[in-house]
Amino acid sequence: DAGVIQSPRHEVTEMGQEVTLRCKPISGHDYLFWYRQTMMRGLELLIYFNNNVPIDDSGMPEDRFSAKMPNASFSTLKIQPSEPRDSAVYFCASSFGTNRDLAGELFFGEGSRLTVL
Amino acid sequence: GIQVEQSPPDLILQEGANSTLRCNFSDSVNNLQWFHQNPWGQLINLFYIPSGTKQNGRLSATTVATERYSLLYISSSQTTDSGVYFCAGRPSGTYKYIFGTGTRLKVLA
Repeated sequence: DAGVIQSPRHEVTEMGQEVTLRCKPISGHDYLFWYRQTMMRGLELLIYFNNNVPIDDSGMPEDRFSAKMPNASFSTLKIQPSEPRDSAVYFCASSFGTNRDLAGELFFGEGSRLTVL
Repeated sequence: GIQVEQSPPDLILQEGANSTLRCNFSDSVNNLQWFHQNPWGQLINLFYIPSGTKQNGRLSATTVATERYSLLYISSSQTTDSGVYFCAGRPSGTYKYIFGTGTRLKVLA
C-alpha cells in the first residue's frame, strides 16, 4: 500500500517567492496533518483537517501560511511570501479515526525540505 | 498545554548494548506512539501503544497510562538503530498530537 506522499522532496527558493508543498494522504484516512520540524522548535503541528475541513489552524505561524484540502486525496501548504526563517522540513501525516476518542495511528510522509535564501 | 519530556536527551551505545528510553507526559494523553527518525529524516512508526506492552523483534514498549509515561526498550542495539526517537500523544478530545523533544541515539560499531 502506498504511504503518505509528499512533493517536492526538496525546494530551494529565494526570499519573497511563493512556495507550495503538496500531500497525498493514505487512501481511506480521514485526518490530515501538517507539521514543521526545525532544530530550535522540534516538531510543531501547523494545522489539521478532518474530512477535508480545517479543524485547528492555531499552529499556523502567520498569515503568510495557508493550507487547503480540496478533496480527500490532496492537500497543499502554501507560503507567500517566503522568508529565510521558514526554512524547515515540512511533514504531512494522515490517520483514520472513527471518532475523536478512537483516533488512529499517525503515519508520516517523507517530508519536504524547504530552504529559503 | 501538555508537556512531553523525553529522557535521556542523548545516548551513545556500543553495538550490542541494551537501552531504555523514557517518555513522560504532564497530563493524560491518548494514542501514544513511538517513532524513529532515521539519519535520512524519515519518521518510522515503531509502536502505537495507548497502554500495555508490545514487542517487535529487538524493540519493545510499555505504556502506563495511569502514571502518564511510556518506555521504549532497545535490546542488542545495532548501528542501524541510530537516529532520534520520538514519542507522541494527544490530549483527549483533540487530534493535536504533541511530540516530545526526542532522544538522539548513536550506536557505535
